[in-house]
Amino acid sequence: EVQLVESGGGLVKPGGSLRLSCAASGFTFSSYSMNWVRQAPGKGLEWVSSISSSSSYIYYADSVKGRFTISRDNAKNSLYLQMNSLRAEDTAVYYCARDLRIAVAPRAFDIWGQGTMVTVSS
Amino acid sequence: DIQMTQSPSSLSASVGDRVTITCQASQDISNYLNWYQQKPGKAPKLLIYDASNLETGVPSRFSGSGSGTDFTFTISSLQPEDIATYYCQQYDNLPVTFGQGTKVEIK
Repeated sequence: EVQLVESGGGLVKPGGSLRLSCAASGFTFSSYSMNWVRQAPGKGLEWVSSISSSSSYIYYADSVKGRFTISRDNAKNSLYLQMNSLRAEDTAVYYCARDLRIAVAPRAFDIWGQGTMVTVSS
Repeated sequence: DIQMTQSPSSLSASVGDRVTITCQASQDISNYLNWYQQKPGKAPKLLIYDASNLETGVPSRFSGSGSGTDFTFTISSLQPEDIATYYCQQYDNLPVTFGQGTKVEIK
């Protein structure tokens, strides 16, 4: 079964850090670009970051650029999001999502994890 | 950034009704448009990619059309399990952007 499972969410104070992980199974992880998409409580979807299959191409939303770092370990079938200098507006469910196609830039997200909640509050 | 505007924001329809949602891009995005369904408390699910291609396993009552700036998503016969919020998403330019969502309810 193709599956993505996120972990690492939790409650953190403003200015703090958190590292999210996404474990992939059931497909050749190293062949696909991967993404993080978030959803603030009661709000819509916001793309956060993308990384190509070999980590050669990395993209960020302006709202997280300079604070968040996406990475992957193809040997461990894992995707990561290191989040620093967290703000209240980063509070959201964070989803990892696979790209539908083998491409360098994000296109369509065909497999999603269940999400992990990040709450930034004092 | 490319702005994606969906309408309506919400709708209420009866089982068996034809439901149409529109999505307008702030600039030409060719056919680089996807549609997702999100049920409460669940992750989004890809339904339509490249404006009109049905994702594998998605029922044929769902369809999409359009190109350029104007796109349409249709449920030909609304079913109780279609209660969800639907989002369009463009990938012509970075950042990838989503519409604000359309909440579909049963009347």
